[in-house]
Amino acid sequence: NAGVTQTPKFQVLKTGQSMTLQCAQDMNHNSMYWYRQDPGMGLRLIYYSASEGTTDKGEVPNGYNVSRLNKREFSLRLESAAPSQTSVYFCASSRALNYEQYFGPGTRLTVT
Amino acid sequence: KNQVEQSPQSLIILEGKNCTLQCNYTVSPFSNLRWYKQDTGRGPVSLTIMTFSENTKSNGRYTATLDADTKQSSLHITASQLSDSASYICVVSAGGATNKLIFGTGTLLAVQP
Repeated sequence: NAGVTQTPKFQVLKTGQSMTLQCAQDMNHNSMYWYRQDPGMGLRLIYYSASEGTTDKGEVPNGYNVSRLNKREFSLRLESAAPSQTSVYFCASSRALNYEQYFGPGTRLTVT
Repeated sequence: KNQVEQSPQSLIILEGKNCTLQCNYTVSPFSNLRWYKQDTGRGPVSLTIMTFSENTKSNGRYTATLDADTKQSSLHITASQLSDSASYICVVSAGGATNKLIFGTGTLLAVQP
């Protein structure tokens, strides 16, 4: 039982490049989330998926897209990376929206 | 504006000592308050979740308190260990259809031998 896994762990991009961050959970959770964590700021919600087949914007969705591929997987795509997207990205999952969230280990992204 | 403020920003204590971390919030409506522990380079891990009606909750050496009237919470760590060195994050759930979570910026605790 791996919990929430994320790939890659580290990534360096040049401005304008695109990439997809992958997230998978094996806890049969319905809800999944993408957050970013920046120094001096609390985690901020980018997008979430309340259940398979649905996605919604969070607090800071600009510059990102998401796909809920199936119940297990939720990916985050940066179409044209910008230095302001340099951050640590966390995926999380929960049984439902009001339940405890379990976080992955994070992806550290640097955009130069 | 919904906000969660934590104090102190950082704290250094000696192994074996106790400490208390503070969290003040202005979140409405209020659903629950959570404390997470985040080790360096890792994702946050839940320590406690308290609803409006709960004023104390323990998880081993961690005890969280909640005063919903004054909108304050504290996390007390007893007999600290080196492995307690981490960032402790207070999170308040605004409830509602989306169950929006408002995260504090965390208190960075260093336990020294």
